[in-house]
This record gives sequence, structure tokens and C-alpha cells, in this order.
Amino acid sequence: AQSVAQPEDQVNVAEGNPLTVKCTYSVSGNPYLFWYVQYPNRGLQFLLKYITGDNLVKGSYGFEAEFNKSQTSFHLKKPSALVSDSALYFCAVRDRANSGYALNFGKGTSLLVTP
Amino acid sequence: DADVTQTPRNRITKTGKRIMLECSQTKGHDRMYWYRQDPGLGLRLIYYSFDVKDINKGEISDGYSVSRQAQAKFSLSLESAIPNQTALYFCATSDWDRGLPGELFFGEGSRLTVL
Repeated sequence: AQSVAQPEDQVNVAEGNPLTVKCTYSVSGNPYLFWYVQYPNRGLQFLLKYITGDNLVKGSYGFEAEFNKSQTSFHLKKPSALVSDSALYFCAVRDRANSGYALNFGKGTSLLVTP
Repeated sequence: DADVTQTPRNRITKTGKRIMLECSQTKGHDRMYWYRQDPGLGLRLIYYSFDVKDINKGEISDGYSVSRQAQAKFSLSLESAIPNQTALYFCATSDWDRGLPGELFFGEGSRLTVL
């Protein structure tokens, strides 16, 4: 069963505007949630993670994510988008019920920031 | 030098050929993984290894095999390649984080085309 969902294939935002990339999860027990970014022809780079503690997690390049247990969501946000933020973004969850705690990835959301 | 190195970066082969993708890491991590990326499908886990003597199948292991030659080396083999194995393959490593696998560190990927 899919344990993480990214409902948007693509998100378009103008430079300088706030951006949100959505992620919802479905796992048993406490979720361990991650965001990764992939630039063209590159591997995935870690942005941030939620393990426990504050629901608002800050990460690399000015990104942050908000864990919402009641809505089972972990949306990625940035207050002011840059053209250089254009990339493919993946949400991932560590699922204890699956594959020995390996990460399950969403299908990815392509972010396009226009000048 | 990259912490996680994959070779080859690009490979074109024919149906029925045996292919090996190699991964080496200098991060000193025990855990290593092979993922496959297909457009619109995100990343799917093929195999993972928690140490040299531990190999586990992931979500899509059929048609693949792996070998953990040393802590730093984890290779993926396609015994008889078929066209639907055309994809971008990623090796990743992880350390421990509070008793569980931490975030993944990815190689740059190996693009395989099977004709």
C-alpha cells in the first residue's frame, strides 16, 4: 500500500512568492518523514526531516516543513521562491511495517519557479 | 570526490545481456540501498543491505540480484536485461539516527537503457 502521497505532479509559482509542495502519509505508529530535492541529472539531496519534537522543521536552502498529525500531512514550504528552486521534490516516510525501515518515496512533484 | 560513487553513469545494452552497476561509498555507513527511478513512479526500492552479511529484497527485486563485497561496496546485477528495466538507478547509504536508519545519501545515478 502506498504510504506517502504527493497529490500534485507539478507546482508553478512566481519568483518571490511563497511556495507549498504537499505530502500526505499513511503509516502505522509514529511517522519519520523526509523531504528530498533532485536537480536535473543529479542524485537526490536531503532537505529536512521530522523525527519528533517541534512540528515546524527547518532545513536546507530556506525550506521548512510542517508536520500535522491530525491531517497526516508534511507539506514543504518556502516563504519566497527562487528560480533556482525549480527541481523535482520527493517526500518520503520510514515505514516500520515495510522493508526494514527503508524509506518509501512519493512519486515526486515538479516545482517550476518563473521569473 | 563524491561520498557515494556509481559506475557506470550511463549504459546502453541489449536485451538478454548481463549488466552490473557498481556503488562505492566513503561515508563509512553500514546501510546501503539500490533504488530505481521511473518518471511518474518516484523511487522504488530494489534491494537493501544492513551490513556485509545482510541482504534483503525490496519492493521490486525480481530480475535483479546484489552483492555486498565489503562495507563500502554494493553492486546491482541484471542477469538478463529486458527493456522494462530501462530506468535511472540510484545507490544510497544511511547511518543510524536514534537507533533507526537516518537520512539517505545518494549517488549521482546510473542511467541504463536496454534496447
